[in-house]
Amino acid sequence: DIQMTQSPSSLSASVGDRVTLTCRASQTINNCLSWYQLKPGKAPMLLIYAASTLQSGVPSRFSGSGSGTDFTLTINSLQPEDFATYSCQQTCSPPRTFGQGTRVEI
Amino acid sequence: QVQLQQWGASLLKPSQTLSLTCAVTGMSVSGYYWTWIRQSPGKGLEWIGEMDHSAGDKYNPSLRSRVSFSFDTSRSQFSLRLTSVTAADTGIYYCARAVRVVVNTGDSLYEYSLMDVWGKGTTVIVSS
Repeated sequence: DIQMTQSPSSLSASVGDRVTLTCRASQTINNCLSWYQLKPGKAPMLLIYAASTLQSGVPSRFSGSGSGTDFTLTINSLQPEDFATYSCQQTCSPPRTFGQGTRVEI
Repeated sequence: QVQLQQWGASLLKPSQTLSLTCAVTGMSVSGYYWTWIRQSPGKGLEWIGEMDHSAGDKYNPSLRSRVSFSFDTSRSQFSLRLTSVTAADTGIYYCARAVRVVVNTGDSLYEYSLMDVWGKGTTVIVSS
């Protein structure tokens, strides 16, 4: 199985900050990477797919980059509704494994 | 409105069978890969598997011996069964719609997927 490692596991930030989350795959996955936002009691929300494509309806302050094994999710000008957990997922091959998540706290 | 509505038993005893159903509304059931994911307390998301009518269903090897999927086309519903549950199966279970995209760069041909519609999740607790 492809292992996905996210860092940091959590971070503290303020409204208006720019934050960068990292996801690393244990082997090359081309651009087969998605990012999801998780909030308690809500369905996970797809933010980014194919490493850098913004899902329709997602604010443009979210962006993704990377290819191969190293990927980043950047949130520009953090908003109050962005405090959540973010999870990456490799989508190349089954099992389509997730990282353990990065919690973004106030 | 594109939606996945899920339901199933929330409290199970060890050794029982978990059974969840997800209803697809507002969209066709064709052309997608219907997927199950779970999140155990304090842990990240875990991909359980996906239904692939053309190439065969795909399962997480860690759960393969206990998992089965079914699809009721007439009702636009798909289901998950997980047998012999233990406390380790406690968590929130999600159904989701997956789309696959084929990429041909000229040098390589590969496929990626994305899960763009999710159910709200069903909390399942396994306890004696």
